[in-house]
Amino acid sequence: DSGVTQTPKHLITATGQRVTLRCSPRSGDLSVYWYQQSLDQGLQFLIQYYNGEERAKGNILERFSAQQFPDLHSELNLSSLELGDSALYFCASSIQEFGNEQFFGPGTRLTVL
Amino acid sequence: KNQVEQSPQSLIILEGKNCTLQCNYTVSPFSNLRWYKQDTGRGPVSLTIMTFSENTKSNGRYTATLDADTKQSSLHITASQLSDSASYICVVRVNFGNEKLTFGTGTRLTIIP
Repeated sequence: DSGVTQTPKHLITATGQRVTLRCSPRSGDLSVYWYQQSLDQGLQFLIQYYNGEERAKGNILERFSAQQFPDLHSELNLSSLELGDSALYFCASSIQEFGNEQFFGPGTRLTVL
Repeated sequence: KNQVEQSPQSLIILEGKNCTLQCNYTVSPFSNLRWYKQDTGRGPVSLTIMTFSENTKSNGRYTATLDADTKQSSLHITASQLSDSASYICVVRVNFGNEKLTFGTGTRLTIIP
């Protein structure tokens, strides 16, 4: 158990809908990262927050947005969902802004029908 | 384009045997290289992190090597166990000043009794 929690574990929804994925980092970690892993694809970095502020952006679609709250938990919002958004979404956390080991959560499996 | 390529894509070996997984990268400037183990449907777990000045690093039966000149890394697994069956992912931190990571697509290792 990495100490990073993600909810929900599974999510099934329809095209065009909007969903919110939630992540709680390890106690004491200030950085939160979001990743997407499609079937048979490598992990793709989406976005990083550090202590409430956006720090780095990867290949995140405009339909996706994220935020980190004062209690350091983070949410990833996915809107106007398409079939191709079906994937595993992982959250990771680390102590500092960069350079440290990242600890991954168990992931949220999103299925868009 | 910064890339991380791993070989082989998949590997099947007998329990108790050794194996070596390869990673070649083209990312620059290089900060550090990480190997992760990912069980099916679960979050990746860090095995090693190496900076450009480190040539080898061990974690139990796992030994990673790094040649920053040729931009190659390997992960050697000794005396494999059934629990080693997983995907092994090579990850390179792209540059200093942010935490964007480039992931390889992984090697799927299967240990058979």
